[in-house]
Amino acid sequence: EDQVTQSPEALRLQEGESSSLNCSYTVSGLRGLFWYRQDPGKGPEFLFTLYSAGEEKEKERLKATLTKKESFLHITAPKPEDSATYLCAPLGYSTLTFGKGTMLLVSP
Amino acid sequence: DGGITQSPKYLFRKEGQNVTLSCEQNLNHDAMYWYRQDPGQGLRLIYYSQIVNDFQKGDIAEGYSVSREKKESFPLTVTSAQKNPTAFYLCASSKQGSGQPQHFGDGTRLSIL
Repeated sequence: EDQVTQSPEALRLQEGESSSLNCSYTVSGLRGLFWYRQDPGKGPEFLFTLYSAGEEKEKERLKATLTKKESFLHITAPKPEDSATYLCAPLGYSTLTFGKGTMLLVSP
Repeated sequence: DGGITQSPKYLFRKEGQNVTLSCEQNLNHDAMYWYRQDPGQGLRLIYYSQIVNDFQKGDIAEGYSVSREKKESFPLTVTSAQKNPTAFYLCASSKQGSGQPQHFGDGTRLSIL
């Protein structure tokens, strides 16, 4: 059975304080890993796709990396508008398996 | 602008009642999906469809039904057999092909009266 664990469950940062979110997975036949951002009461917003170990993607203050067993979402000098829940979802043979998410709060 | 529209935003169900959630997309995507999101849990797949007139059960299909008569539309019916329907329901779509990202609508929140 495919499994995904995201840590920490919640993270509070001061504006400008960089950190990383972790996504550990056990998935058969990994075909990609997706990162999403979800604001309260909204649907997830697609951020990145990573297809192979060693791959990195960047968007503004976010950088996602992938190894064979985990992915990291690095947040550099975050701003309050980066506050959201971040979801990772590896894609196995057929469907996505979503983690429970990391709730990020960035204080000014 | 292209996107996925879910309606209504809020829905209330009475005991023994079936309710239908609407999902429409104008992204010209072949594949569509329905997920359920509960507090403290990851998204769970209810049904998915990769082509018109065909769909497959996901991990938690019991108590739900779908149809895919048009490429743009993938309605979800929550039947009276679903004993715990209170949740946030999310519809998504994607291009066909391996590793394509799914794009989501803004959800329907279903509650029991």
